[in-house]
Amino acid sequence: AQSVTQPDIHITVSEGASLELRCNYSYGATPYLFWYVQSPGQGLQLLLKYFSGDTLVQGIKGFEAEFKRSQSSFNLRKPSVHWSDAAEYFCAVWYSSASKIIFGSGTRLSIRP
Amino acid sequence: EAGVVQSPRYKIIEKKQPVAFWCNPISGHNTLYWYLQNLGQGPELLIRYENEEAVDDSQLPKDRFSAERLKGVDSTLKIQPAELGDSAVYLCASSYGTGQETQYFGPGTRLLVL
Repeated sequence: AQSVTQPDIHITVSEGASLELRCNYSYGATPYLFWYVQSPGQGLQLLLKYFSGDTLVQGIKGFEAEFKRSQSSFNLRKPSVHWSDAAEYFCAVWYSSASKIIFGSGTRLSIRP
Repeated sequence: EAGVVQSPRYKIIEKKQPVAFWCNPISGHNTLYWYLQNLGQGPELLIRYENEEAVDDSQLPKDRFSAERLKGVDSTLKIQPAELGDSAVYLCASSYGTGQETQYFGPGTRLLVL
């Protein structure tokens, strides 16, 4: 079955510190991969996406993600977080077999002043 | 360019009452999605439209949920009658084309059923 796993429900990091949010997906996906961010009371905003090519993808707001096929992972990173990065982050994978995007359950990011 | 518009933003109703949500997608986007987002969870697809046609409604609880997309533009999602477990955020998204095309989300409608 298609599934997307974000193992960290809640992460707290200090402002200025680096960040890595983990995402793993079940084997069999055509690797169309996405990261979305959701601020409280808002819809989801696309941070970045990977379809093909360079496995290190740059996105908006200083975020990047690396696709590792051997590990079925697509982890999101940021070298230095800002207080405004506090939000919920969702990893998503397009499964061609199901013709739909499957979202992970999200990771809530809190920023320590 | 205007984003995906949803209304109302918030709705409180008593159980067994009907409720409807409206969505206007980004101009030119022929694919429209309705998602259900429970607290602490990612969005789950309820129904996907390509133009006027509902091409995937396998996860839509058809005994109480219905949707329509007349003229292939805006869409309405209805629940009748609402149950306590329907309390959630209902998100609308649209994309240009289908498949792995980027989906753009509206702000959602937060429903509370009492």
